[in-house]
Amino acid sequence: NAGVTQTPKFRVLKTGQSMTLLCAQDMNHEYMYWYRQDPGMGLRLIHYSVGEGTTAKGEVPDGYNVSRLKKQNFLLGLESAAPSQTSVYFCASSYWGDGQPQHFGDGTRLSIL
Amino acid sequence: RKEVEQDPGPFNVPEGATVAFNCTYSNSASQSFFWYRQDCRKEPKLLMSVYSSGNEDGRFTAQLNRASQYISLLIRDSKLSDSATYLCVVNIGSGGGADGLTFGKGTHLIIQP
Repeated sequence: NAGVTQTPKFRVLKTGQSMTLLCAQDMNHEYMYWYRQDPGMGLRLIHYSVGEGTTAKGEVPDGYNVSRLKKQNFLLGLESAAPSQTSVYFCASSYWGDGQPQHFGDGTRLSIL
Repeated sequence: RKEVEQDPGPFNVPEGATVAFNCTYSNSASQSFFWYRQDCRKEPKLLMSVYSSGNEDGRFTAQLNRASQYISLLIRDSKLSDSATYLCVVNIGSGGGADGLTFGKGTHLIIQP
């Protein structure tokens, strides 16, 4: 049972570089989410999607873009990486939104130099 | 007032003891409540949902107090493997809005041999 899979697991970027984080889920979940987790800040929602072809902004969307072209995949893009985006990124999914627990991937550790 | 508040700890507890910690939430319209567990450098994992009548899962008991707007987690006969950060999660049930899920910053629990 794969559940939620994130790639890559680790990445080091230089300021100004771009990259895409991939999240894939095999549970046929409608909702998908991208969070970042920083020390002392807890989990903060970046963007989310309520279904294929939809995206919406979360609490901290600036500097990130997302796409949900296929139901099972949710991509997070950094167009021009900044040191402030150094963080651990978690993807999650749920069958639907309110009231449903979310299932998390094992995270991507991203460092921006 | 923060939406979801937890004592960050750490709680240092001897093995075999009982430990309990609370989480307060600010929105009286909150409808769904969860406890997640997060091990160091790992993803959050659902520990248990919290139901209005309270619920138990083995050594773990979760309770909800709507009048005082808090939920609690009790761990009996604590094991070394219970050492982790416990995240309180509250959903305000905004009618399909995925951004209604709010995570607390977590309570750090250390079980000592």
